[in-house]
Amino acid sequence: SYVLTQPPSVSVAPGTTARITCGGNNIGSKSVHWYQQRPGQAPVLVVFDDSDRPSGIPERISGSNSGSTASLTISRVEVGDEADYYCQVWDSNSDCYVFGPGTKVTVL
Amino acid sequence: EEQLVESGGGQVKPGGSLTVSCAASGFSFRGYNMNWVRQAPGKGLEWVASISSFNNYIYYVDSVKGRFTISRDNAKDSLSLHMQSLRVEDTALYYCVRDKYASPPGPSDLWGQGAMVTVSS
Repeated sequence: SYVLTQPPSVSVAPGTTARITCGGNNIGSKSVHWYQQRPGQAPVLVVFDDSDRPSGIPERISGSNSGSTASLTISRVEVGDEADYYCQVWDSNSDCYVFGPGTKVTVL
Repeated sequence: EEQLVESGGGQVKPGGSLTVSCAASGFSFRGYNMNWVRQAPGKGLEWVASISSFNNYIYYVDSVKGRFTISRDNAKDSLSLHMQSLRVEDTALYYCVRDKYASPPGPSDLWGQGAMVTVSS
């Protein structure tokens, strides 16, 4: 089955940029979705179809996808961005959704 | 307000059965693909099952095939997951999740707060 890889953690200072990667075989050919999960809360969709944002998600959160790596970028990081972030794709060979293992973003 | 509310979680012994349910409100339930996604304590997200808007597509993760059954009642705006032959490793918070489209694939744009299922002797 399809496997996604993410770094376990990313640490950034407030006001700087956090970049979270999601690796997978030819992931650039798939649509990647990203979810933010704050402690004790349900996940929230923050980016879908590689780079689109749902209404209410700030422009400083953006996504890209090419080759073997998709990325979620959070600009001007705030304390409120501390959360776990998960990427997700549809594996058409197995007819199943696949989540990455998640990346914990810590704001120093 | 669009909302998903799970119920039916609890503790069950290994080999037992349990059904978790989800009540949808604030949107046209019949128009969307629905999923169950689980999260074991302290672990990441794991997709469990999907059912398209009119039951024409139903999918499961390999680890629950033959043990779990997803179903929906569009007349009652409800989603269910019947779980049998439960294992300790099925212990998790089970989220009811709506996709953006009527059938997979698509992003999940609405999540419930989850129902906890604990499998323990």
